[in-house]
Amino acid sequence: DAKTTQPPSMDCAEGRAANLPCNHSTISGNEYVYWYRQIHSQGPQYIIHGLKNNETNEMASLIITEDRKSSTLILPHATLRDTAVYYCIVRAVMGGNEKLTFGTGTRLTIIP
Amino acid sequence: NAGVMQNPRHLVRRRGQEARLRCSPMKGHSHVYWYRQLPEEGLKFMVYLQKENIIDESGMPKERFSAEFPKEGPSILRIQQVVRGDSAAYFCASSAKHGQSQETQYFGPGTRLLVL
Repeated sequence: DAKTTQPPSMDCAEGRAANLPCNHSTISGNEYVYWYRQIHSQGPQYIIHGLKNNETNEMASLIITEDRKSSTLILPHATLRDTAVYYCIVRAVMGGNEKLTFGTGTRLTIIP
Repeated sequence: NAGVMQNPRHLVRRRGQEARLRCSPMKGHSHVYWYRQLPEEGLKFMVYLQKENIIDESGMPKERFSAEFPKEGPSILRIQQVVRGDSAAYFCASSAKHGQSQETQYFGPGTRLLVL
């Protein structure tokens, strides 16, 4: 799986949009971008994933650049409960490597 | 629809004892993955199983660790003769699979193993 690069930490004010960047410049055509988060050592929570189109669900939006070399996870109205470590993971979905390779992620702190 | 279940949530063992960690996948999921998280580190893949088969065990230590996913019942991660370095959080994830397409992995709450 392609390697991803994320900033180690970020702060965001409560109620504002949190924008978490991820670089994956060596991504292949059959690889998806997945986002998970881990709140205080709980089990990782799936957030969203996408291939090349922007995606939105009840938790977040995922914006993938046209060349697919980077993406941004957007939490539209951050709350204190969004404080967590966020992991961007690139993973082949068709007949590829099944495992998830977690990097160090971004530690997001929501400031009251 | 219940999520991935793991038990026990906390497990304390003395050095040399055996640890058995259980994982029940989400309903309808036939694929199970085990990950380990050492203190202050990220999750590391250990093993991927389907019912009655080990598909990928490239992350499993060669000795003392084994995993199974029987036809009936939960998946079991077994650690024999535990050492202090085995102290970690062990997470299980499950997924469905349709054809060649892998589906999203959903994680359980984890088992915290402490070796005294």
